[in-house]
Amino acid sequence: DAGITQSPRHKVTETGTPVTLRCHQTENHRYMYWYRQDPGHGLRLIHYSYGVKDTDKGEVSDGYSVSRSKTEDFLLTLESATSSQTSVYFCATSWGSYNEQFFGPGTRLTVL
Amino acid sequence: GENVEQHPSTLSVQEGDSAVIKCTYSDSASNYFPWYKQELGKGPQLIIDIRSNVGEKKDQRIAVTLNKTAKHFSLHITETQPEDSAVYFCAASIDDYKLSFGAGTTVTVRA
Repeated sequence: DAGITQSPRHKVTETGTPVTLRCHQTENHRYMYWYRQDPGHGLRLIHYSYGVKDTDKGEVSDGYSVSRSKTEDFLLTLESATSSQTSVYFCATSWGSYNEQFFGPGTRLTVL
Repeated sequence: GENVEQHPSTLSVQEGDSAVIKCTYSDSASNYFPWYKQELGKGPQLIIDIRSNVGEKKDQRIAVTLNKTAKHFSLHITETQPEDSAVYFCAASIDDYKLSFGAGTTVTVRA
């Protein structure tokens, strides 16, 4: 398995507060992704990165921003958390655009 | 964008029987169809994938079939075992890295 860690693994926060989730990989994969998983929706792509400082929006990007200053780290920020952002967030990586995506263990975020 | 529908949402099978999960997609330009297995408390893991130039692919007890004309693809698990119990997701993509996932199928294998 690809060496992917996510932190924190669990977080409870209040509406209106900023939240940053971190994804760290040790595989030197070029592509990194953030998904959210909700019942009845499967996984939905939030943002992805195709290189350092190169990012783009996914299917459900409103209310989220990302940054990638190093190959190994991809940060997801909720500027002002809302209850609708309560979800399980998964980071994934792939060597290239035509390669298998490896998923991290997930972060469970609850916004009260 | 791409819309992927997955059925059934839950599936219970007797150990040793076969399990079949079906997905349909909306965008005829989709050309990559992976299947992921997610065990409780873990991230999804790729179990098999197929590209649009192939109609069927097998890997031991797992097989995937693709019908591009009808825009549907299926996962077949034969001789099911208790360790096959998990949530399975299908996905489709036009450009490999932007995956659109189905809602998932919870498979329970009864001993």
